[in-house]
Amino acid sequence: DVKVTQSSRYLVKRTGEKVFLECVQDMDHENMFWYRQDPGLGLRLIYFSYDVKMKEKGDIPEGYSVSREKKERFSLILESASTNQTSMYLCAATGTSEAGELFFGEGSRLTVL
Amino acid sequence: AQSVTQLGSHVSVSEGALVLLRCNYSSSVPPYLFWYVQYPNQGLQLLLKYTSAATLVKGINGFEAEFKKSETSFHLTKPSAHMSDAAEYFCAVRGPSGTYKYIFGTGTRLKVLA
Repeated sequence: DVKVTQSSRYLVKRTGEKVFLECVQDMDHENMFWYRQDPGLGLRLIYFSYDVKMKEKGDIPEGYSVSREKKERFSLILESASTNQTSMYLCAATGTSEAGELFFGEGSRLTVL
Repeated sequence: AQSVTQLGSHVSVSEGALVLLRCNYSSSVPPYLFWYVQYPNQGLQLLLKYTSAATLVKGINGFEAEFKKSETSFHLTKPSAHMSDAAEYFCAVRGPSGTYKYIFGTGTRLKVLA
């Protein structure tokens, strides 16, 4: 299995601040994902990266950017945090099996005041 | 387009009773299907996955799911609920082979009554 670690479990930020959410996986896998989870809306894909410096927009990329300088690390950046970005953020990486199941980190709960 | 529907956003069962969480999918090709569990303020943990090797799939914590192509269903069951099973459960389908697009259901919150 892939171990995915999100560095911050709980964050409180102010409107307009720049926010970095860090995610590290331990198995040198190519594919990494950032999802946002909100009650009633399920999981929504923000960005996907399939290799170093490679990224694709997901369903809700507005207000977010990502960085993948090393294969094991995938960062989500909120350039100017807003209250509507208060949410649970989940990082995931795929395993090596045929099914390509996702392995998730513990999540980062962000509150923007 | 692929989709996943979980029937029932909340399910309550008594401790020791059968757990049945419903998932229906739509897919034009044989899918990869998954069930995940999420405990409060944690990430999603893989319970089991379907890869076409067997229609009855056994997972962790005593859960299993049966793939029924004719019904386009992949329902999750457990013979006897434990208090520790109280959590939210998500069904998911992966996009066509070669892609990494995942569609998640909206989740079913399981409550276990003492």
